[in-house]
Amino acid sequence: EVQLVESGGGLVKPGGSLRLSCAASGLTFTNAWMNWVRQAPGKGLEWVGRIKSKGDGGTADYAAPVKGRFTLSRDDSKKTLYLHMYSLKPEDTAVYYCSSSIAALFEHWGLGTLVTVSS
Amino acid sequence: QSVLTQPPSVSEAPRQRVTISCSGSSSNIGNNAVNWYQQVPGKAPKLLIYYNDQLSSGVSDRFSGSKSGTSASLAISGLQSEDEADYYCAVWDDSLNGPVFGGGTKLTVL
Repeated sequence: EVQLVESGGGLVKPGGSLRLSCAASGLTFTNAWMNWVRQAPGKGLEWVGRIKSKGDGGTADYAAPVKGRFTLSRDDSKKTLYLHMYSLKPEDTAVYYCSSSIAALFEHWGLGTLVTVSS
Repeated sequence: QSVLTQPPSVSEAPRQRVTISCSGSSSNIGNNAVNWYQQVPGKAPKLLIYYNDQLSSGVSDRFSGSKSGTSASLAISGLQSEDEADYYCAVWDDSLNGPVFGGGTKLTVL
């Protein structure tokens, strides 16, 4: 059974930084393309970014609202995905989900971790 | 404002059938496969339908998907109270070079 477990969420002030982690099990993590998807309170789902497997180049792509402020990375030896968030804004407040995917097919999801950006 | 348009809400009685639409454009639905997700309040999303009409493992065959041109639909037959949830369509967008979600549709079983 695939399990994705996010951690690292919390309360941070505007302009601050935070690092989220997603620990994977039951998945061939080395081959997986991994994503972060977020959901603001009472709102819909929004794709944040994706990092390809190292075998497919290991590059990352980002949604326009976070490009230049967020960075995805992965540690295949630890089967862990990271989201480094900088210059955080109140509009970044959301539950952040980790998900494995092929294009827009998000097959497995974690339970999410809440990030609150507020002074 | 989402690139994909879904009705904000739909409602229907138990045991009836309901459809949820997802309207896009040639750069997304018109050229790529559509996937559907169910999200029960307070829970993580769950994959329901992939590649337009393929049922995800373990999902009831009361759920079905279809696509025509730049629109897609999710149909749920034999409605049950447990189907009350938010439903999202998602598809790759060639212009944005990334996946996009519809705004979501809240299903109420009367």
